[in-house]
Amino acid sequence: DAGVTQSPTHLIKTRGQQVTLRCSPKSGHDTVSWYQQALGQGPQFIFQYYEEEERQRGNFPDRFSGHQFPNYSSELNVNALLLGDSALYLCASSLRESGEKLFFGSGTQLSVL
Amino acid sequence: DAKTTQPTSMDCAEGRAANLPCNHSTISGNEYVYWYRQIHSQGPQYIIHGLKNNETNEMASLIITEDRKSSTLILPHATLRDTAVYYCIVKRYSGAGSYQLTFGKGTKLSVIP
Repeated sequence: DAGVTQSPTHLIKTRGQQVTLRCSPKSGHDTVSWYQQALGQGPQFIFQYYEEEERQRGNFPDRFSGHQFPNYSSELNVNALLLGDSALYLCASSLRESGEKLFFGSGTQLSVL
Repeated sequence: DAKTTQPTSMDCAEGRAANLPCNHSTISGNEYVYWYRQIHSQGPQYIIHGLKNNETNEMASLIITEDRKSSTLILPHATLRDTAVYYCIVKRYSGAGSYQLTFGKGTKLSVIP
């Protein structure tokens, strides 16, 4: 049983560009959350998707957007990249009724130059 | 959600029990204590959670004080693979609702051979 898979594992972009990160949830899971983890810090919640809709959002600007597909996979899009967007982006999946027991992928390391 | 306080770092000898403390003095009655850990270059991994009774699973034990103002995560026989950052999170259980976990900086546990 595959866990949460994210692609790509590493990515290098320049300021002003746009990026799309992808996530496939653990089999049977219907909810996907995205987190940003800066170096030396704990993960910070970006948003959560369920039934193809954004259900909750953390303190992130509108440059961060997402999507969930009918097969529960998800994308995170970041527009107009800033140097400060350099971080590890983590996807977590769960069953809606399981509350806060999340399963995380290994993340996408984004570097903005 | 209540704030938590954890030591920045701890060492533990391999094979000995690792006891990781967490202070959550402002916890309210409907808030659970969750523990996650993050091994280097991986996403966080769920360990255990509890409300007021002590809990045990295949990974660890969670001891919550009677007044619920603090808790201890116990890894009974630490191995080198337990070296990781351990996060204590207090969260109101929301059922099929909020998945926004607030991670602090956690405790860096180093298991020494």
